[in-house]
Amino acid sequence: AQSVSQHNHHVILSEAASLELGCNYSYGGTVNLFWYVQYPGQHLQLLLKYFSGDPLVKGIKGFEAEFIKSKFSFNLRKPSVQWSDTAEYFCAVTISGNTPLVFGKGTRLSVIA
Amino acid sequence: KAGVTQTPRYLIKTRGQQVTLSCSPISGHRSVSWYQQTPGQGLQFLFEYFSETQRNKGNFPGRFSGRQFSNSRSEMNVSTLELGDSALYLCASSPGTLMNTEAFFGQGTRLTVV
Repeated sequence: AQSVSQHNHHVILSEAASLELGCNYSYGGTVNLFWYVQYPGQHLQLLLKYFSGDPLVKGIKGFEAEFIKSKFSFNLRKPSVQWSDTAEYFCAVTISGNTPLVFGKGTRLSVIA
Repeated sequence: KAGVTQTPRYLIKTRGQQVTLSCSPISGHRSVSWYQQTPGQGLQFLFEYFSETQRNKGNFPGRFSGRQFSNSRSEMNVSTLELGDSALYLCASSPGTLMNTEAFFGQGTRLTVV
């Protein structure tokens, strides 16, 4: 069964710092990859997704992620975080879109002024 | 377009009781999935329904069950509640598969078992 690892449990950054959250998955075949964000008290929202094509995908709010197949990774990046980015971030994978989403355990991001 | 609606938002139940949670997917979506979210385990997949049939099932005991109606609305039931069932239960809907689209999540039902 596929699994997803998010290496950072809690990340604390100052405003304007750059962000990179790690995500690795275990399946060797064709995968669809997602990053979701959960702001305090709100529902999970999609940040970005990768299905095929350009491995560098851009999402909402200035986030981007790079799919590196050889490393089974899909790391999330943002050049300059804002206080409003404080949230929990989840990486998820499905095998060719035909299996349920498998989520990592999440990374809590705290952005301080 | 209305999003995924889950009711109720909050529930407090006693050990041994049973509970039913409801999910109304986005109009036109035929797939509904349920997840349990806890601080220690993150989001764990419970089951998925598509066109009234259970398509996938996670590793949860038989006390957890669900169903889907012809209008795609779904319910999940937990019988003989245990303290460890306290969690946020999330419902997600999608048109069919996740091949070229994402899952859309509701705000969840916060279940507390005392």
